[in-house]
Amino acid sequence: GESVGLHLPTLSVQEGDNSIINCAYSNSASDYFIWYKQESGKGPQFIIDIRSNMDKRQGQRVTVLLNKTVKHLSLQIAATQPGDSAVYFCAETLNQAGTALIFGKGTTLSVSS
Amino acid sequence: NAGVMQNPRHLVRRRGQEARLRCSPMKGHSHVYWYRQLPEEGLKFMVYLQKENIIDESGMPKERFSAEFPKEGPSILRIQQVVRGDSAAYFCASSPTPNAQETQYFGPGTRLLVL
Repeated sequence: GESVGLHLPTLSVQEGDNSIINCAYSNSASDYFIWYKQESGKGPQFIIDIRSNMDKRQGQRVTVLLNKTVKHLSLQIAATQPGDSAVYFCAETLNQAGTALIFGKGTTLSVSS
Repeated sequence: NAGVMQNPRHLVRRRGQEARLRCSPMKGHSHVYWYRQLPEEGLKFMVYLQKENIIDESGMPKERFSAEFPKEGPSILRIQQVVRGDSAAYFCASSPTPNAQETQYFGPGTRLLVL
């Protein structure tokens, strides 16, 4: 059956609500994780990152949680605003020189006012 | 401090033509990554280059695709004899070191449409 926090391709929220976007990563050896925001017609924009020796990291209005046991990553956005509407991708990588990012499936966040 | 620059932003080619995509990394960055994004999908790694060297091309198709990052000038992703399946957004990212935990900064992408 489906597990809690399974990736959803779309998420619709009201302005002011908190948003939670989930991501399951693929490689248990990955030790660096990044969340990117991609607006229509633009390239991915860095939001926040976390290393595998941490399980939580906070930024401005955003929090990333890492659960290595189940290979799960989440992005929490507080007080979601219409400008947060975009596609959000998680990415993982190994701590090796020149290792490329592996992107997860994106989640489209729609914020209505 | 200009970000990663890519041009052209949009490129239309007919089947069989060549496509050249350019990427100028951020100032001070000598490491460039190319990714491809198909509609409704995440980015997929293609190739990683340093100045004058291809370090990892494991994600690049063996035929028709090539990449370079010369000592002077932008990095070039070249697609020969394009086919409709090459239609996608191509993004480059740059970083200042090969450290995998150094954030990669992305350009705005080139959207290739093959007719």
